[in-house]
Amino acid sequence: DAEITQSPRHKITETGRQVTLACHQTWNHNNMFWYRQDLGHGLRLIHYSYGVQDTNKGEVSDGYSVSRSNTEDLPLTLESAASSQTSVYFCASSRGISSGNTIYFGEGSWLTVV
Amino acid sequence: GQQVMQIPQYQHVQEGEDFTTYCNSSTTLSNIQWYKQRPGGHPVFLIQLVKSGEVKKQKRLTFQFGEAKKNSSLHITATQTTDVGTYFCAATSGGGADGLTFGKGTHLIIQP
Repeated sequence: DAEITQSPRHKITETGRQVTLACHQTWNHNNMFWYRQDLGHGLRLIHYSYGVQDTNKGEVSDGYSVSRSNTEDLPLTLESAASSQTSVYFCASSRGISSGNTIYFGEGSWLTVV
Repeated sequence: GQQVMQIPQYQHVQEGEDFTTYCNSSTTLSNIQWYKQRPGGHPVFLIQLVKSGEVKKQKRLTFQFGEAKKNSSLHITATQTTDVGTYFCAATSGGGADGLTFGKGTHLIIQP
């Protein structure tokens, strides 16, 4: 079955370290997204991509970067982890927003920065 | 950027009571989607509304899109313990140029 997977599911890292969260989808979706979820803030868009070599900044992109070298993967990199980046991170994908297709979320990556 | 306001933030109900969450925007929306997230889980798509005044039903859930396409609601009739979770609305203003903007969600707590 097609799916979207995130790894690692849980990670503890130290302030200042570079961290990469992986996201892999097997639906061949063009659109991929990264959200973070924090109590009181709901889901906030970090970065998104509408296809290979396309990346765009979302609402809370500072301190994060993404790259899209193929259709299946959109890794999220925290260049220098900060305690404010402790959060739950969700990757998502969809065939196309404008055509009203379902967005599928991964199961989440719990990141703690100490 | 576009914002969608969702109320209430928390809702406690007795099992069997009805529940409604509301989503409002200051701008006209192209479409609105609703998601449910169980505690410890990930958001799961429920439905999308596209047309002005649209009403859709899924068993005990009724979704409405306002005539002006600036507001939406989700109503659950006779809540059950399986309805526990956070309900999010999410919207685009057009063309998908900025991804989905999510409301902050309504946490539904059900007391047996």
